[in-house]
Amino acid sequence: DGGITQSPKYLFRKEGQNVTLSCEQNLNHDAMYWYRQDPGQGLRLIYYSQIVNDFQKGDIAEGYSVSREKKESFPLTVTSAQKNPTAFYLCASILRTGVNQPQHFGDGTRLSIL
Amino acid sequence: AQKITQTQPGMFVQEKEAVTLDCTYDTSDPSYGLFWYKQPSSGEMIFLIYQGSYDQQNATEGRYSLNFQKARKSANLVISASQLGDSAMYFCAMRRMDSSYKLIFGSGTRLLVRP
Repeated sequence: DGGITQSPKYLFRKEGQNVTLSCEQNLNHDAMYWYRQDPGQGLRLIYYSQIVNDFQKGDIAEGYSVSREKKESFPLTVTSAQKNPTAFYLCASILRTGVNQPQHFGDGTRLSIL
Repeated sequence: AQKITQTQPGMFVQEKEAVTLDCTYDTSDPSYGLFWYKQPSSGEMIFLIYQGSYDQQNATEGRYSLNFQKARKSANLVISASQLGDSAMYFCAMRRMDSSYKLIFGSGTRLLVRP
């Protein structure tokens, strides 16, 4: 079945450490997105990529970095500069063929500080 | 700037009854799309229904329907015949009609269905 796979499901970060969250999709979608969700709140856009080797900052990009070397993959690195990384991270993708197309989401990664 | 407002942090509904979840939005764009997603406790986001700003009719998908009032800038989700499995967070989201296909989300409404 086609879908979006995020790994790991749970991740713990030590002080001063960079961690990378994986997002892989086999839907042949061209655009991919990373969102952050804090408890009891909505999703906020971190980064997005519309094509390979290109990406744009979202609303809360500080302390995060991404790459898009392959169409299927859009990993997110939470750097040590992100002082409050504890949150639920969701990856999404979309095939931009029509205005009514929804974004499809992975199952998320929960990141906590040790 | 675009904004989505969901004023109901939490809602209760009796099983088999209908419930309306409110969503108001703010945009100066003439063309936009509105989406509703369901987020169970497991965390995944499930797409429910879409309404385009120029759609003449309110969207419906099974037990879900959208009460779209463009002049009031509201897009309320109506769930008919509530089921226990409907207990979840519900998010309203808006998208500008540009090439980014970015979504802006509201803060969500937690729905609890009582047996």
